[in-house]
Amino acid sequence: KAGVTQTPRYLIKTRGQQVTLSCSPISGHRSVSWYQQTPGQGLQFLFEYFSETQRNKGNFPGRFSGRQFSNSRSEMNVSTLELGDSALYLCASSPQGAGADTQYFGPGTRLTVL
Amino acid sequence: AQSVTQLGSHVSVSEGALVLLRCNYSSSVPPYLFWYVQYPNQGLQLLLKYTSAATLVKGINGFEAEFKKSETSFHLTKPSAHMSDAAEYFCAVSDQDAAAGNKLTFGGGTRVLVKP
Repeated sequence: KAGVTQTPRYLIKTRGQQVTLSCSPISGHRSVSWYQQTPGQGLQFLFEYFSETQRNKGNFPGRFSGRQFSNSRSEMNVSTLELGDSALYLCASSPQGAGADTQYFGPGTRLTVL
Repeated sequence: AQSVTQLGSHVSVSEGALVLLRCNYSSSVPPYLFWYVQYPNQGLQLLLKYTSAATLVKGINGFEAEFKKSETSFHLTKPSAHMSDAAEYFCAVSDQDAAAGNKLTFGGGTRVLVKP
């Protein structure tokens, strides 16, 4: 099976712009989660989608949003970009989104905000 | 809220020596526990996980971890380090509460350097 894919791999934006990141989960996986990784804050949970519904949300401002499509693909959007949004954004998929499920991570999208 | 503590942000070991990475969690109810590895410019790869079965869990690449409820710990070990083990390692937990989905809470990570 193909792994989790994320596009684009690298992105450079300027402050105030918005950005959309895409994630294609492993075939058959219904849960997609997003994480932000920064040197200062480490790995932080953004949100999880299951069957097109946001099931869980981390402690991020409303500028961070996401959605999931009927084929389980997911996108996340960040509006009004700030310098602090520069990070590696990781997407992970799992079969059922259960706590014991293994989450399979994509390679990430490296976002740089100038 | 769950929290995970990894003792030591950097660990240096000699090739062939024991690798020991420490992880402690804070929860009155034992969570599900995971160890992930991240190589430069890559995503995270699962090494092993504990899901309430055997307390000694064996993973890939010769790694294993032991769940100790009394110590709220899930330390990762490998008897003999290899150069290819140089990477960053993350301990993570998820809640057993089904309503929590599979949100992972990560420790701060431990970067392992292997000296020849």
